[in-house]
Amino acid sequence: DAGVTQSPTHLIKTRGQHVTLRCSPISGHKSVSWYQQVLGQGPQFIFQYYEKEERGRGNFPDRFSARQFPNYSSELNVNALLLGDSALYLCASSFLPNTEAFFGQGTRLTVV
Amino acid sequence: DQQVKQNSPSLSVQEGRISILNCDYTNSMFDYFLWYKKYPAEGPTFLISISSIKDKNEDGRFTVFLNKSAKHLSLHIVPSQPGDSAVYFCAASALSGGGADGLTFGKGTHLIIQP
Repeated sequence: DAGVTQSPTHLIKTRGQHVTLRCSPISGHKSVSWYQQVLGQGPQFIFQYYEKEERGRGNFPDRFSARQFPNYSSELNVNALLLGDSALYLCASSFLPNTEAFFGQGTRLTVV
Repeated sequence: DQQVKQNSPSLSVQEGRISILNCDYTNSMFDYFLWYKKYPAEGPTFLISISSIKDKNEDGRFTVFLNKSAKHLSLHIVPSQPGDSAVYFCAASALSGGGADGLTFGKGTHLIIQP
C-alpha cells in the first residue's frame, strides 16, 4: 500500500511569490492535516480537513489556505511568500481526525 | 506558551540498554498522546499511542507510560538498538473535544545509541 505522498519534495521560491503543495493520503483515510516544521522545532499545526471540510486551523496568517478534494487529496497554498515561510511542510493522513496520523516525507520549501 | 514539553534536547544511551524519553504537557484537555520517530530528510514515523483512559501501552520494544495526575508521559525502548538513533517527538491532542487543533508536538529529543 502506498503511504502518504507529497509533491514536490523540494521547492525554491522568491519572496512575494505563491506556492501550491500537494498531498495524497493513504487509501481509505479521510482526514488530512498540514504541519510546518522549522529547524529545531516540532511540527506546528496549520490545517485539518475531514470529509472535505475544514475542521481546524492553527495560528497561521490568512496567506495560508488549503482545500481537500473529493478523492481526499489536499493542497496547501501560501501567498505572498516571506523568508520566514522557509520550512519543511508535512502532510499527514488519518482515518479519523487526530488519531494515529501518518506523515509524508514532506516538501522542503526555501524562500529566497 | 509550549503546551507539550520535551525538556531533554538530546539523550545518549548504550546499545542494549533502556532508553527513556520524557514528555510533559500543560493542557488538561489533552486526552490522546502519540510518539513519533524522525530521521533526517524524512517525515515523522508513528511509533505508539495511548489514550488517557489507560496508563500503559506496549508494542514490542516500545512502551508508553502515562501519568495523568502529573501530566507526564514517557517512552521506554528496550533494548535500544543502533537503528533507534533518531529524533523522537511527543504529540498530544484533545480527541474528545473534536480535535480541531490537530496534534500539538514537543520540540523533540535526539536519541543517540552508542555501540
